[in-house]
Amino acid sequence: DAGVTQSPTHLIKTRGQHVTLRCSPISGHKSVSWYQQVLGQGPQFIFQYYEKEERGRGNFPDRFSARQFPNYSSELNVNALLLGDSALYLCASSLFTGTFNDYTFGSGTRLTVV
Amino acid sequence: GDSVTQMEGPVTLSEEAFLTINCTYTATGYPSLFWYVQYPGEGLQLLLKATKADDKGSNKGFEATYRKETTSFHLEKGSVQVSDSAVYFCALSDDDYKLSFGAGTTVTVRA
Repeated sequence: DAGVTQSPTHLIKTRGQHVTLRCSPISGHKSVSWYQQVLGQGPQFIFQYYEKEERGRGNFPDRFSARQFPNYSSELNVNALLLGDSALYLCASSLFTGTFNDYTFGSGTRLTVV
Repeated sequence: GDSVTQMEGPVTLSEEAFLTINCTYTATGYPSLFWYVQYPGEGLQLLLKATKADDKGSNKGFEATYRKETTSFHLEKGSVQVSDSAVYFCALSDDDYKLSFGAGTTVTVRA
């Protein structure tokens, strides 16, 4: 069975540009969460979507947005990129919200802003 | 707000040595506690969890006990192997939708 897949794996963008990161959850999983992991730090929660509705949002500026599609895949969008947005962006999926027993992380998208 | 503080690394050990990684937490409620492991080039994997005070989580020879009185969840393994080299993250959740992670501890085991 395929795990959580994220694309692209690596990306280089220039300050001020926009970026879209994609996540395909494990088949049957209806919840997708996004985390930002800056080098040397632990992941920080950005968003959770469940059944296409936003269920939670972390302490990130409005430049960060996301959505979930009818097939439960998800996109994370970041506008007006800053150097500080350089990080590994992780997606995690689970069957439902409210439990972390089947919470599965993808390998991430490494974003570098220059 | 919720926070997790874990032992700074890096930690370097010889094979068959005893490993301890300290983790303490601050939370308003009664959180669930987790240890995740991240191998090079891979995503985070759940190593073990505990959902209430005095619970012991265990997996692959690793153990951690939820200590409410000391707000701690220290990770231990009695005899490490080279394959245990990874970054270990302590995390908590006191709601139903997000995890709060510590900064991670890099462990290197030498043969």
